[in-house]
Amino acid sequence: SQQGEEDPQALSIQEGENATMNCSYKTSINNLQWYRQNSGRGLVHLILIRSNEREKHSGRLRVTLDTSKKSSSLLITASRAADTASYFCATDANNDMRFGAGTRLTVKP
Amino acid sequence: NAGVTQTPKFQVLKTGQSMTLQCAQDMNHEYMSWYRQDPGMGLRLIHYSVGAGITDQGEVPNGYNVSRSTTEDFPLRLLSAAPSQTSVYFCASSPRETGYGYTFGSGTRLTVV
Repeated sequence: SQQGEEDPQALSIQEGENATMNCSYKTSINNLQWYRQNSGRGLVHLILIRSNEREKHSGRLRVTLDTSKKSSSLLITASRAADTASYFCATDANNDMRFGAGTRLTVKP
Repeated sequence: NAGVTQTPKFQVLKTGQSMTLQCAQDMNHEYMSWYRQDPGMGLRLIHYSVGAGITDQGEVPNGYNVSRSTTEDFPLRLLSAAPSQTSVYFCASSPRETGYGYTFGSGTRLTVV
């Protein structure tokens, strides 16, 4: 069964806009990770945030974690057409990594 | 560095046939795992290994076997293929079982007819 659930399922924006994706989960976690998957390719690790961290940045990516609400968000700033992909959150709990069904992001040029 | 290499990229099997999906990594990662990806269901863990000689079941292990005789290789064997095993299969590796991001292979698209 899935642990993380992403919201929305699909998101379409214009190039240059910001994209925000959310992830909710059910049990306590050690860390939460975000991955990107381009069509027909494997997943690529973007960022890991540990349970004792609240915010993390990597380039144009900003991830927040609220363990009291069991939720995380991924913000992509100044989006580009190349950011078009599916984005997955994954929760690491007791050596058990579970992936959500993903958010499909489309960035229109 | 090649990272995680999966072969084959595509495969069509007839119901009842067996086959092995190959996975190799050259990063000296201790942890390796197999996932299947089906539309709308995200990735589901089939089997995993925390080191050579050690394997364990994930969420959906039925119909699959694994072995880990070396750190580098983690093959997934389908014992008797069924149409329900039509999916995209991904192998992933990580330095340890927790606390690190996963490196994924490019996947094997399997169709069982």
